[in-house]
Amino acid sequence: DVKVTQSSRYLVKRTGEKVFLECVQDMDHENMFWYRQDPGLGLRLIYFSYDVKMKEKGDIPEGYSVSREKKERFSLILESASTNQTSMYLCASSGGGTGELFFGEGSRLTVL
Amino acid sequence: QQPVQSPQAVILREGEDAVINCSSSKALYSVHWYRQKHGEAPIFLMILLKGGEQKGHDKISASFNEKKQQSSLYLTASQLSYSGTYFCGTDRSNDYKLSFGAGTTVTVRA
Repeated sequence: DVKVTQSSRYLVKRTGEKVFLECVQDMDHENMFWYRQDPGLGLRLIYFSYDVKMKEKGDIPEGYSVSREKKERFSLILESASTNQTSMYLCASSGGGTGELFFGEGSRLTVL
Repeated sequence: QQPVQSPQAVILREGEDAVINCSSSKALYSVHWYRQKHGEAPIFLMILLKGGEQKGHDKISASFNEKKQQSSLYLTASQLSYSGTYFCGTDRSNDYKLSFGAGTTVTVRA
């Protein structure tokens, strides 16, 4: 079975803390994505990566950065967490072809 | 720019049909459809490429009207397992970067 694994299902952080969200895929996919999911807004693209060490901004990159040092791992970083970053974060990967996205189960982040 | 989905929510009895619409103000290369059950990851249903093709997945099918930049998802003879939130994702330039709609929550009751 193909798999996208997100390291933490639930996190609670304080305002100003640095937060790392990790994502690992076992499908040898080139493309990896970070989405944020909020009620009534659907999924919004934060950052994506087409290759190792390569990244591009999505629709809402402000307050976030990413790192992709290995093909299978894509990390989302909140340098200084704020309460408006409380959300569900979904990682996804795709291998080209049809572009079908395989999603992880999500990381629910609460910033107090 | 995010596509617009309608309706926001629909409640069905088993066996009833429903249509979910997804429209974009920009030209599209493809439209994807995903379903997400509560607490789970979104799952891919199907992709439609420009050219107006129609596809099916069991009793769930979809169409893509390239001229209108609109796609519709058809739930036929709905089953309890069809409950969930359906998202359309649009790709404008075949770069695998999808913009998703806000979702349509489907509840199927016995």
